[in-house]
Amino acid sequence: DTEVTQTPKHLVMGMTNKKSLKCEQHMGHRAMYWYKQKAKKPPELMFVYSYEKLSINESVPSRFSPECPNSSLLNLHLHALQPEDSALYLCASSQIPMIRELFFGEGSRLTVL
Amino acid sequence: KNEVEQSPQNLTAQEEEFITINCSYSVGISALHWLQQHPGGGIVSLFMLSSGKKKHGRLIATINIQEKHSSLHITASHPRDSAVYICAVRWGGGTDKLIFGTGTRLQVFP
Repeated sequence: DTEVTQTPKHLVMGMTNKKSLKCEQHMGHRAMYWYKQKAKKPPELMFVYSYEKLSINESVPSRFSPECPNSSLLNLHLHALQPEDSALYLCASSQIPMIRELFFGEGSRLTVL
Repeated sequence: KNEVEQSPQNLTAQEEEFITINCSYSVGISALHWLQQHPGGGIVSLFMLSSGKKKHGRLIATINIQEKHSSLHITASHPRDSAVYICAVRWGGGTDKLIFGTGTRLQVFP
C-alpha cells in the first residue's frame, strides 16, 4: 500500500462552521505534512509531524489546528475560517530519519463561503 | 529572489519532442525532489536526488551540486505528460522542510 488517502475530496463550509480534514497512510512513515496550495502557486508548508509530535508550525493561524492521533493518521481541524483560506490542502508522508521520497495525497479542496 | 527558481515557467511541445526543465537553487541542500502535479491536484513524486543522475522510463533527472542546478528531461514526450512539474529542495540542515519552486506548466500536443 503506497497511498496517502485524504478525505473529504471536496468541502464547502461557512465561516462559523467547524470541520476536519483527514489523512491516512499505512506505509509506516513517521513524518506527515500538511500543505496549502492556492491556484497556480506551489504548495506552502503548514505543519510537520515527526514521530507523532509537531515539529514544524509555519506560523499558521490558530483557526487551523493539526492533530496526529497515531502514526497513520493526521487531522486538520478547521474553525472560523476566512474565504481566503479556500485552497487545496495536501497531506504528504515520508520515511524518517533518512528521508526518501514524499508521498502525497490527492488533496482536499476547501471552499469557505 | 526565490531560493528555488525554475525555467521555463510555461512550455508547449509537440508529441515526441525532447523536453528539458531546469531548476536552480541558492541554498545548501541535502536532496532535491522532482514532483508532477496533474490538474485536479494530486502530486506524484518522480525523483529524489542528492547527486548524479536517475532514470525512470522516459524521465531522466540530473543534479550538479557544485553548480546548484538540476534538470528534468522527458524523452519522446506524450500528451499524457502534460502537467505541472515542480522542483523542491530539502535544506541541508536536516530539517523536514521543503522549499518549492514555482513550477513549470507543460503542455504536449499531439
